[in-house]
Amino acid sequence: GAVVSQHPSWVICKSGTSVKIECRSLDFQATTMFWYRQFPKQSLMLMATSNEGSKATYEQGVEKDKFLINHASLTLSTLTVTSAHPEDSSFYICSARDFYRGGDTQYFGPGTRLTVL
Amino acid sequence: AQKITQTQPGMFVQEKEAVTLDCTYDTSDPSYGLFWYKQPSSGEMIFLIYQGSYDQQNATEGRYSLNFQKARKSANLVISASQLGDSAMYFCAMRVGNNNNDMRFGAGTRLTVKP
Repeated sequence: GAVVSQHPSWVICKSGTSVKIECRSLDFQATTMFWYRQFPKQSLMLMATSNEGSKATYEQGVEKDKFLINHASLTLSTLTVTSAHPEDSSFYICSARDFYRGGDTQYFGPGTRLTVL
Repeated sequence: AQKITQTQPGMFVQEKEAVTLDCTYDTSDPSYGLFWYKQPSSGEMIFLIYQGSYDQQNATEGRYSLNFQKARKSANLVISASQLGDSAMYFCAMRVGNNNNDMRFGAGTRLTVKP
């Protein structure tokens, strides 16, 4: 089946630094990828929809200047948390749909656990 | 607006018994898809089962079946013959439309299988 990878799987950084998270579709092309954030014991909340070759679409309340999304190719989307603060500590999950192969399954990456000190 | 509701924060089931996890949804779009995912403590989201709004029959995948009641807007997940490894968070999700639309999640239900 389709596989989505994320790197890194976990990261600890100091407050004020920036962190980049990569999301790759390994065996299919993903024109659209989705970024979710999950706080402990809560559900996944959609942050933004990442479209290859164009600007991402952000959900209401998500700061686009803080969470920079780049979808440079059909297999790679990146999320950069700029000037991270402790409240940004969360589990970030990306997902993609193999639109060209049809089907409705949305594949999720394994997630990246971010801890900001 | 679309909405997914899971009203059971936690559920317990005895090993080898069946359990039903509730999910209701709300959308005005006639075309939508309903999904169930399992999230163990490792955090990965594991796809379990899918039901399309136009599907006539309830979806089944091994020990998982989806009790789709369209008029009631419910899509409950039934897990038969529960195993200890089924203990995890379970999320119901909905995607509206057929394009690359996003998926919205319910609050989740934590299932604990007791030996």
